[in-house]
Amino acid sequence: EDKVVQSPLSLVVHEGDTVTLNCSYEVTNFRSLLWYKQEKKAPTFLFMLTSSGIEKKSGRLSSILDKKELFSILNITATQTGDSAIYLCAVVFTGNQFYFGTGTSLTVIP
Amino acid sequence: SQTIHQWPATLVQPVGSPLSLECTVEGTSNPNLYWYRQAAGRGLQLLFYSVGIGQISSEVPQNLSASRPQDRQFILSSKKLLLSDSGFYLCAWSVGNPLRLTGNQPQHFGDGTRLSIL
Repeated sequence: EDKVVQSPLSLVVHEGDTVTLNCSYEVTNFRSLLWYKQEKKAPTFLFMLTSSGIEKKSGRLSSILDKKELFSILNITATQTGDSAIYLCAVVFTGNQFYFGTGTSLTVIP
Repeated sequence: SQTIHQWPATLVQPVGSPLSLECTVEGTSNPNLYWYRQAAGRGLQLLFYSVGIGQISSEVPQNLSASRPQDRQFILSSKKLLLSDSGFYLCAWSVGNPLRLTGNQPQHFGDGTRLSIL
């Protein structure tokens, strides 16, 4: 059965720390992996990854995909309280079906 | 630009009552449309997706149904709600191309409906 697993489930850090969030998957016909940030309501799109080894970067956030080992990481450097959110990983396979992991809840304390 | 509207934002319903949640997308044609449920502290569970009018795929057997009466309208329904139907329901769209399902387009979400069953 196809699945997407995120770790850790929750994380509490201090402002300025660097965090690494993990997403591993077991799917057939992989097409892409996406990261989303969910604060209170709608998840907002962060990155889409389709190729191994190519880092996507946006400000203090970056992400990379390893299609051989079937995982992706999301890095956040110099964390701020505004980074507190649930970070969701989704994998697209066999067309346009998106399958989400359970998410990592990140809390950044001042 | 494209926008997605989902309503209502919050709904409190008694057990056994019917349900209708509506989602509409503007600014695009032939989108793929999705309904998700998110239980407290959990990830998003895909309930239904649609690649065109009248085409509904169900991912999880349940008490709910979905319909797509128009290209940019997606409706989630139930005839009789259960306590276990409580949760946060999200509608989403992505650029659709049923002939070439490349999976290389991100989804965009509505603001969600928080449903409480009493």
